[in-house]
Amino acid sequence: QVQLVQSGAEVKKPGASVKVSCKASGYTFTSYYMHWVRQAPGQGLEWMGIINPSGGSTSYAQKFQGRVTMTRDTSTSTVYMELSSLRSEDTAVYYCARDAVEYPAGWFDPWGQGTLVTVSS
Amino acid sequence: EIVMTQSPATLSVSPGERATLSCRASQSVSSNLAWYQQKPGQAPRLLIYGASTRATGIPARFSGSGSGTEFTLTISSLQSEDFAVYYCQQYNNWPKTFGQGTKVEIK
Repeated sequence: QVQLVQSGAEVKKPGASVKVSCKASGYTFTSYYMHWVRQAPGQGLEWMGIINPSGGSTSYAQKFQGRVTMTRDTSTSTVYMELSSLRSEDTAVYYCARDAVEYPAGWFDPWGQGTLVTVSS
Repeated sequence: EIVMTQSPATLSVSPGERATLSCRASQSVSSNLAWYQQKPGQAPRLLIYGASTRATGIPARFSGSGSGTEFTLTISSLQSEDFAVYYCQQYNNWPKTFGQGTKVEIK
């Protein structure tokens, strides 16, 4: 079955960077775009960006431009999201979510289990 | 960016009753709207896409309707496992945006 398994929780200091991984299985990795979405504690969902696992092209939400980098490793079917210059407001659960169909339609299924990133001094 | 507004913020419903959740877009998104269910400590789960198409494995008691700027998610007869937070999401424009969620709680 299609599965996205994310890396474990992280605690970072303000100003540091964090890199979260998302390992895909159960489908052809390069055929589906992948998105990253975050959710601050008790808050709603915020789309961060998208990566094409085939060619590696990316598109980021303007809010995160310059601070986020999404990459992929086709040999391990893994996508990565790195967020730099962390501040307390970046404390959130970060999800990877696959595009539901084989083109960037923009609705997400399935989702990874989430990775809690805590930014605290 | 398109702002998605959900109402009400909280909906108190008794098991077996009908629940109607609303989602409004700040500009037309055609039928490019999805609904997700999220339970505490879990990732969101896709319920509906294309405004009205149920995702694989989603029970028939969930239905979606609407187009343009006004959308509705209806749960015809609430089961205990349906008490959760529901989010709408537009995918007509970049960036993809979500509503703030409607919490469906037991009355």
